This record gives sequence, C-alpha cells and structure tokens, in this order.
Amino acid sequence: DTGVSQNPRHKITKRGQNVTFRCDPISEHNRLYWYRQTLGQGPEFLTYFQNEAQLEKSRLLSDRFSAERPKGSFSTLEIQRTEQGDSAMYLCASSSRDRGSGNTIYFGEGSWLTVV
Amino acid sequence: AQKVTQAQTEISVVEKEDVTLDCVYETRDTTYYLFWYKQPPSGELVFLIRRNSFDEQNEISGRYSWNFQKSTSSFNFTITASQVVDSAVYFCALSESSSGGSYIPTFGRGTSLIVHP
Repeated sequence: DTGVSQNPRHKITKRGQNVTFRCDPISEHNRLYWYRQTLGQGPEFLTYFQNEAQLEKSRLLSDRFSAERPKGSFSTLEIQRTEQGDSAMYLCASSSRDRGSGNTIYFGEGSWLTVV
Repeated sequence: AQKVTQAQTEISVVEKEDVTLDCVYETRDTTYYLFWYKQPPSGELVFLIRRNSFDEQNEISGRYSWNFQKSTSSFNFTITASQVVDSAVYFCALSESSSGGSYIPTFGRGTSLIVHP
C-alpha cells in the first residue's frame, strides 16, 4: 500500500516565478488536504478537497495560491509570483471516507520551497 | 486563540528516562478527535494515535502511552525508557467540525524532544 507521494521534494525558485507541487494521495482515500509548515511551527491548514470538490480554504490561501484536484485523484498546488515569505514546506495529506478512520490524515514527505 | 497548546517547546532527556509531552486543547464541540504525530529529522509526519471524544480510556503501545482527560482538556503523551530514536518533534492535533462541516485537524506548535545517549 503506497503512501502519499509528493513531488518535487525540493524546489528553489527566484522571487516572482510560479511553482507547482503535485500530490498523489493514498489510492482509496477520497479526501485530500494541503498544509504549510514553516520552521519551528506546526502544520497550518491551507485547503481541503473531498473528491474533486474544494470544500474548504484557509485565509492563508491568498489569491496567488490555487489548488486543484481535477479528477478526484492527484492534486496540484500552484503558487504564482512567489515571494520570500512563501518559503516553507508544503505538506499534502489524505484520509479515508471510512467513518471508522475518525478522519485520520496521513501525510506525504512534503515539498520544500525556497524562494531566493 | 490557540486551539491546541503545547507549552513545552523543547525537552532534553538522557536515554532511558521517562518523558511526558503535554497537550491542552480547546473546543466547544462534543464530538472531536485528538491525534499525536511524530516528525523525525527527515521531515515526514508520522501518525501515532487517534482518540475520539467519547473514549477516555488511556492507551498503551509498547513504550508509548497516552492519557486523555476531558476534565482538564488534556491529551498527554508519555514515552517510557526513552531512546535516541525517539528524538523528533511531536505534534498534538485536534479535529473538530468546521464551519463547512468537515473535520480538519488543527496542529499545535510541536514539542522538540532530544534524547541524549
């Protein structure tokens, strides 16, 4: 059973460039989450999908950020016109629709973004 | 206001010592879930345990044990006979019903545990 897969694992980009991260959730999971984590902090929620529908978005998700999950499987998170403050680890997680799972979310290894 | 408070930023112990990581949460919901995750230096968050609000039984898994007390809104995590491999950042999280009806975990700031040989 493969876990949550994210790529690229590391990305260095110049300020003002666009970047895109991809997440492949655990295959039978219909729920997908994006979080951001900066040094010394816990993960902060960005957005949530149930199947292909984006049901929740955090205020952290400025208009430069967009996330999609077109077929309810993989998801992409795009950041346009990157700023140095966007430097962080972007975490993807997924969870099962099974009520017994208690909405336990399982994380990928994360994608590190450095904006120079 | 913080929904999940992990007051201990960093704890340093010597191998074989017992250590307790504190977690205090805040919610008005009657149905909610509490979690602990481990983040080793490699960076991936690893799920350790989930508790729902209706189950206050404490749990033991090997050297790990968890103490859930609704009366004090706490969900503490104890590692017995700590080992160097336990060195990591540990996060407590709370999942309650959001305004959209989804249960989305909110994380504390984490406690960094350093176990010295």
